[in-house]
Amino acid sequence: DQQVKQNSPSLSVQEGRISILNCDYTNSMFDYFLWYKKYPAEGPTFLISISSIKDKNEDGRFTVFLNKSAKHLSLHIVPSQPGDSAVYFCAASALRAGNNRKLIWGLGTSLAVNP
Amino acid sequence: NAGVTQTPKFRILKIGQSMTLQCAQDMNHNYMYWYRQDPGMGLKLIYYSVGAGITDKGEVPNGYNVSRSTTEDFPLRLELAAPSQTSVYFCASSYSSSSGNTIYFGEGSWLTVV
Repeated sequence: DQQVKQNSPSLSVQEGRISILNCDYTNSMFDYFLWYKKYPAEGPTFLISISSIKDKNEDGRFTVFLNKSAKHLSLHIVPSQPGDSAVYFCAASALRAGNNRKLIWGLGTSLAVNP
Repeated sequence: NAGVTQTPKFRILKIGQSMTLQCAQDMNHNYMYWYRQDPGMGLKLIYYSVGAGITDKGEVPNGYNVSRSTTEDFPLRLELAAPSQTSVYFCASSYSSSSGNTIYFGEGSWLTVV
């Protein structure tokens, strides 16, 4: 049962345009969400996060939007650059007994930004 | 800053051989993790540790063992390598707090079992 779903395995956009990567989740207890970027032959790197008390978080060209009622979040990259070409993973966590958390990962979306 | 360091980067094993993937972090994180990523798939948690001396199974622990004798080190042991263990392995670490946890990954270890 995939609790975090990234339904688009791949996305292609033109340089300078907006990239929108989507993520849906099923567990209403999730209250912390993260996006990671992964280049080939490298480990994933943290990009941006959002807590469920917010509906938007912005960091430079990257903005994450959270719609709790729809159990949906999205990552917007504006403007897209060729260096943004990578696989993007969405992850979510909920506070568990013992005051700890476990991240649940989506399968990733491969973004290609074309010059 | 070294962050999370994994060795080796690449390794070819024969079926039935054993090996240890080393992982060290210098961020004083209490949590450490081992993930594997198969081609076209997401990250699957093998084992994790919430502190020195404490380890627990993740989603896909079979065929692996771990230990956490210090805060810094979290080695992953493959006892009898099988072709199904051909994968990319990522070690990671984090603080874990009630408000959220951001995981920091190593560069990855590419393992092929033939």
